[in-house]
Amino acid sequence: QTVVTQEPSFSVSPGGTVTLTCGLSSGSVSSTYYPSWYQQTPGQAPRTLIYSTRTRSSGVPDRFSGSILGNKAALTITGAQADDESDYYCMLYMGSGISVFGGGTKLTVL
Amino acid sequence: EVKLVESGGGLVQPEGSLRLACAASGFTFSNYWMTWVRQAPGKGLEWVANTKKDGSEKNYVDSVKGRFTISRDNAKNSLYLQMSSLRAEDTAVYYCATVATFTGTTWVFENWGRGTLVSVSS
Repeated sequence: QTVVTQEPSFSVSPGGTVTLTCGLSSGSVSSTYYPSWYQQTPGQAPRTLIYSTRTRSSGVPDRFSGSILGNKAALTITGAQADDESDYYCMLYMGSGISVFGGGTKLTVL
Repeated sequence: EVKLVESGGGLVQPEGSLRLACAASGFTFSNYWMTWVRQAPGKGLEWVANTKKDGSEKNYVDSVKGRFTISRDNAKNSLYLQMSSLRAEDTAVYYCATVATFTGTTWVFENWGRGTLVSVSS
């Protein structure tokens, strides 16, 4: 069973930089998994931030960036703002139409 | 503007059935794979099922195989999820979303509806 791993929680100071990661319980994440990232605030639908590892969705500020760091996908927020306080989910495409979400990271900005 | 509106959620008893619908507008529905994603109360996102543009291919997470059926009606710009043998653990908000593949070069859930709540309880 494939498990996608994320940090359960993270905190960052306003104006600071934070990197959230997305790994696999077994193996390395590469661009072939088409890593994507989603932001969700309580009571709202998810919002797509990043796809294909590093491509920002329409309207997403450039303080959000995606990459591969080592054996994981990563989402970096540079110059964090108060309204970046959200849950962040990564998703990996396993092929054959199968997608798996990570457990999510709760980001606190304080 | 892309719009996805889910409906059909509600309270259902264990072992009962429910059919969710997702009405799409603002884009060419038949050009997109479509997917259902759910979120149990206080939990994370879970991919549930998807269907190819013409409905010829369907995929499911293991936990719903044999119980849920995804379908679409491209003439009505609508996506469906028929759920049967429902369990307490199926309680969740169910979202429909478009799947952007850009001719096989990516896979991303691009646009999302606001969701519909399914509660399974006696």
